[in-house]
Amino acid sequence: EPEVTQTPSHQVTQMGQEVILRCVPISNHLYFYWYRQILGQKVEFLVSFYNNEISEKSEIFDDQFSVERPDGSNFTLKIRSTKLEDSAMYFCASSGTRTGVSREQFFGPGTRLTVL
Amino acid sequence: AQSVTQLGSHVSVSEGALVLLRCNYSSSVPPYLFWYVQYPNQGLQLLLKYTTGATLVKGINGFEAEFKKSETSFHLTKPSAHMSDAAEYFCAVNDRGSTLGRLYFGRGTQLTVWP
Repeated sequence: EPEVTQTPSHQVTQMGQEVILRCVPISNHLYFYWYRQILGQKVEFLVSFYNNEISEKSEIFDDQFSVERPDGSNFTLKIRSTKLEDSAMYFCASSGTRTGVSREQFFGPGTRLTVL
Repeated sequence: AQSVTQLGSHVSVSEGALVLLRCNYSSSVPPYLFWYVQYPNQGLQLLLKYTTGATLVKGINGFEAEFKKSETSFHLTKPSAHMSDAAEYFCAVNDRGSTLGRLYFGRGTQLTVWP
């Protein structure tokens, strides 16, 4: 069964460093998302991406964040200068095929980012 | 923006007992509704969803949920809990007007099943 994959599973970084979180969405999906979950808090939407551009972003997704689909398979989230409060589990999701817009989002296992 | 409330961050039941996890949403226009489950060290897996049609929705692993517009609720139930049901459960909604389906999540409910 197709699934969303994410690498790495755990990333530890120093404050101020850049990190790139990687995702491989399901191959025929067209819509891509990043969410995050700070420990003990809700899962929060960060950004959605369609047709090679951001379609929606939350107030969390400031200039420190960027997304990219560098090739036909990967979808990345970059944090330019990490802060302590960026420590969270980051989930990638994908949905939607050319035959219709499915509102079901398929989630990856997450990347746990720890900023020291 | 949507708001999703899950009453009870922790629910404990005995194996074989009824599972009831509560979810309420804030929108005056009924959104699309979802329940996701997260097992330890895994991603979010869709249990069931309501978009249109029958208000009682059946999902995987014997779970079901009923959409009640008058109560703005979408509670998740399972008649008989199994040890393997122990996990965290998230209720989520998205706006019908939102083509790309940004999800709003509740805080999650950790289900513990005692033998």
